[in-house]
Amino acid sequence: AQSVTQLGSHVSVSEGALVLLRCNYSSSVPPYLFWYVQYPNQGLQLLLKYTSAATLVKGINGFEAEFKKSETSFHLTKPSAHMSDAAEYFCAVSVWDTGNQFYFGTGTSLTVIP
Amino acid sequence: GAVVSQHPSWVICKSGTSVKIECRSLDFQATTMFWYRQFPKQSLMLMATSNEGSKATYEQGVEKDKFLINHASLTLSTLTVTSAHPEDSSFYICSVPRGEANSPLHFGNGTRLTVT
Repeated sequence: AQSVTQLGSHVSVSEGALVLLRCNYSSSVPPYLFWYVQYPNQGLQLLLKYTSAATLVKGINGFEAEFKKSETSFHLTKPSAHMSDAAEYFCAVSVWDTGNQFYFGTGTSLTVIP
Repeated sequence: GAVVSQHPSWVICKSGTSVKIECRSLDFQATTMFWYRQFPKQSLMLMATSNEGSKATYEQGVEKDKFLINHASLTLSTLTVTSAHPEDSSFYICSVPRGEANSPLHFGNGTRLTVT
């Protein structure tokens, strides 16, 4: 079975501080992993994706994530938080053998404190 | 630019009426589209998979007679909330997969439905 767990439903950081949003996955086959960001009353926007080409993936807005198979993790980081980073973040896993079905984590709400 | 267009963004309707939400794939011929429902401060809940030219596949617990899905063309899927009630108030989002294992979903901007 496939699943995604996001530890911490709410994360608060000071402006300029490191952002770390945690994601662990469970998959019986090699997964494809994604991070999405959602601003209020909007759809989801892709931040970055892991597709087995490189374990460290760089995305938009200065975000990056590292795939660690041994830890079954795909944590999202950003060295320095901006006020505009305040949003909801979702980790997702796609498994092809289930018909390209996507499984989403429960989301992490990021607050940036000025 | 946006590759998935969802309309309307906001809709308010009275109890007992029906509301239609459209999802258009602008740059890809989509044989499949996903419809999600999102409650405040929660994750996306997959409601159904819309299949072009055939019946939609509904997730367990989703009433197919209440949430009618029509995927009449490769660029358009519609979700109709029939006989809406206040408990149907929610944020509905469509998405379009690209049919490749490593391709991300592309999402519409969502529709905020309020039933009074």
